[in-house]
Amino acid sequence: DAKTTQPNSMESNEEEPVHLPCNHSTISGTDYIHWYRQLPSQGPEYVIHGLTSNVNNRMASLAIAEDRKSSTLILHRATLRDAAVYYCIPRGGFKTIFGAGTRLFVKA
Amino acid sequence: SQTIHQWPATLVQPVGSPLSLECTVEGTSNPNLYWYRQAAGRGLQLLFYSVGIGQISSEVPQNLSASRPQDRQFILSSKKLLLSDSGFYLCAWGYTFGSGTRLTVV
Repeated sequence: DAKTTQPNSMESNEEEPVHLPCNHSTISGTDYIHWYRQLPSQGPEYVIHGLTSNVNNRMASLAIAEDRKSSTLILHRATLRDAAVYYCIPRGGFKTIFGAGTRLFVKA
Repeated sequence: SQTIHQWPATLVQPVGSPLSLECTVEGTSNPNLYWYRQAAGRGLQLLFYSVGIGQISSEVPQNLSASRPQDRQFILSSKKLLLSDSGFYLCAWGYTFGSGTRLTVV
């Protein structure tokens, strides 16, 4: 499984964009990059995933570096409900292995 | 639609008692199923996964076992609970996680 590096925590102001970085320099060519988030006292929630191209959905955007060794999850306008732990997970097989993630704090 | 059911939501059990947590999925067949545990203030640890009926892979040695008696049923068990078994247990299928069971062993 590819190793990931994410900041332990980040802080954002409400209504501002948030860029959550992830380094995954050992990712293999067939691993998809998945992002999940976990709100307090809840199970993880799927956010987005991609392979090479940037991806957008209603929750977020995913920007993937050309060499695929890093990616950035973009929340376009943070809300208080976006306060959570965000996990970046390269996934090639059928196992999803979680790292420590980034705890996002959102200030009103 | 695809849904995952997990129960109970909370459980308090004495040390040495048995445990059985059940997870069922709907809207799919032959899913890959997973059990995770999250100790208080810690990350998610993959405990078991199953790619089919009767097929169980264990990720970490521990006091727990898993079984898959039916295609869409995944059960986490213990014969004798330890204090260290306390935590938040989550069943997952694909990208979807259940709502979890918060287990406190006293």
